[in-house]
Amino acid sequence: DAGVTQSPTHLIKTRGQHVTLRCSPISGHKSVSWYQQVLGQGPQFIFQYYEKEERGRGNFPDRFSARQFPNYSSELNVNALLLGDSALYLCASSLGGTGAQETQYFGPGTRLLVL
Amino acid sequence: RKEVEQDPGPFNVPEGATVAFNCTYSNSASQSFFWYRQDCRKEPKLLMSVYSSGNEDGRFTAQLNRASQYISLLIRDSKLSDSATYLCVVIRGDTDKLIFGTGTRLQVFP
Repeated sequence: DAGVTQSPTHLIKTRGQHVTLRCSPISGHKSVSWYQQVLGQGPQFIFQYYEKEERGRGNFPDRFSARQFPNYSSELNVNALLLGDSALYLCASSLGGTGAQETQYFGPGTRLLVL
Repeated sequence: RKEVEQDPGPFNVPEGATVAFNCTYSNSASQSFFWYRQDCRKEPKLLMSVYSSGNEDGRFTAQLNRASQYISLLIRDSKLSDSATYLCVVIRGDTDKLIFGTGTRLQVFP
C-alpha cells in the first residue's frame, strides 16, 4: 500500500513569491495535517483538515492557508514568502475519527528553501 | 516555556550501551503520548505509544509519569542503526494536533 505522498520533494523560491505544496493521504484516511519543521527543531503544527473542513489551526500567520479536496488530498499555500519560511513541510494523514488516539503517518516532506 | 521539553543531546554511546531519554510536558490536559524517531533528512516515524502502565517493544521501553508530567524512553543494547533523533510527542485532550519536543539526538558508535 502506498504511504503518504508529497510533492514536490524540493523547492527553491525567492522572497515574496508564493508556493503550493501537495499531499495525498494513505488510502482510506480522511484527515490531513500539515507541520513545519525548521532545522534543529521539532515539527510545528500548521493545520488539520478532516472531510474538507478545517479542524485545527496552529500559530501561523494568514500567509499560510490550506484546503482539502473531495478525494482527501490537500494543498498548503504560503504567500509572500520570507526567508524564515525555509523549512521541511510535513504532511501527516490519519483515519480522522476521534483523533486524539489516532496514529498520524508522515509523508517524506517537501524541503523549501527561500532565498 | 515550551510545552514539551527535551534535552537536545547529542548522546554519544558505544554499541551495546543502555541509554535513557526524558521528556517533560507542561500541560496537564495532555492525553496521549508517543515517541517518534527521525533519521537525518527523513520524516518522523512512530516508534511507540506511551502508556501509564509502561510498555516495551523489544529493546525499547517507554514510561509515563502523569504525576510528574514526564515521559521516558529506554534503549537497551544500542545498535549503530539506533542513531537518530528521538522526538517526544504529546496530544492534548482538546485537540488532535501533535505537539513535538525539539528532539534528542542519539549517536551510537562502534
